[in-house]
Amino acid sequence: DAGITQSPRHKVTETGTPVTLRCHQTENHRYMYWYRQDPGHGLRLIHYSYGVKDTDKGEVSDGYSVSRSKTEDFLLTLESATSSQTSVYFCAISEVGQGGSPLHFGNGTRLTVT
Amino acid sequence: GENVEQHPSTLSVQEGDSAVIKCTYSDSASNYFPWYKQELGKRPQLIIDIRSNVGEKKDQRIAVTLNKTAKHFSLHITETQPEDSAVYFCAASGNNRLAFGKGNQVVVIP
Repeated sequence: DAGITQSPRHKVTETGTPVTLRCHQTENHRYMYWYRQDPGHGLRLIHYSYGVKDTDKGEVSDGYSVSRSKTEDFLLTLESATSSQTSVYFCAISEVGQGGSPLHFGNGTRLTVT
Repeated sequence: GENVEQHPSTLSVQEGDSAVIKCTYSDSASNYFPWYKQELGKRPQLIIDIRSNVGEKKDQRIAVTLNKTAKHFSLHITETQPEDSAVYFCAASGNNRLAFGKGNQVVVIP
């Protein structure tokens, strides 16, 4: 299995508080992604990164920001959490872009916003 | 952008029977079609993928077929076993963007 670690695995937070989720990889892959998974919606891309300090928006990026200061770490921040951001968040990595190689997913972070 | 639809949303099969899940895509430029399996409470994992220059690919009990003219691709699982029970996601990639279908729940009845 690809070396991907997400932290925390579970988090409960209150509406309006900032939250940061961390993804750490040991594979030295260039591409990293954040997805959210909700019933009836499948996997939706929030943001992705194609290198250190290089990031771009996905289809559901509103309310989220990301940062990648090192190859191995990709952070997802909810500046002011809302109940609609309650979800399971998956980090993924790939050797080349989305059209070229498989995604390897982390174990997910279950976030509950109360 | 690419739009991927999966049918049926839920599929129940008797153990030992075959299961087929079909996905349709909208962008004729899409050229990479992976399938992911997600067991309850686990992460999605790639089980098979196919590129547009190939019509069929097999890996033991799993096969994927691609019809570029009709813009659909299908996952075939033969001799189903209880451990095949999971949610299966198809995806299609064009212009370096991957779009996922909403997933199919497959239930294998012992």
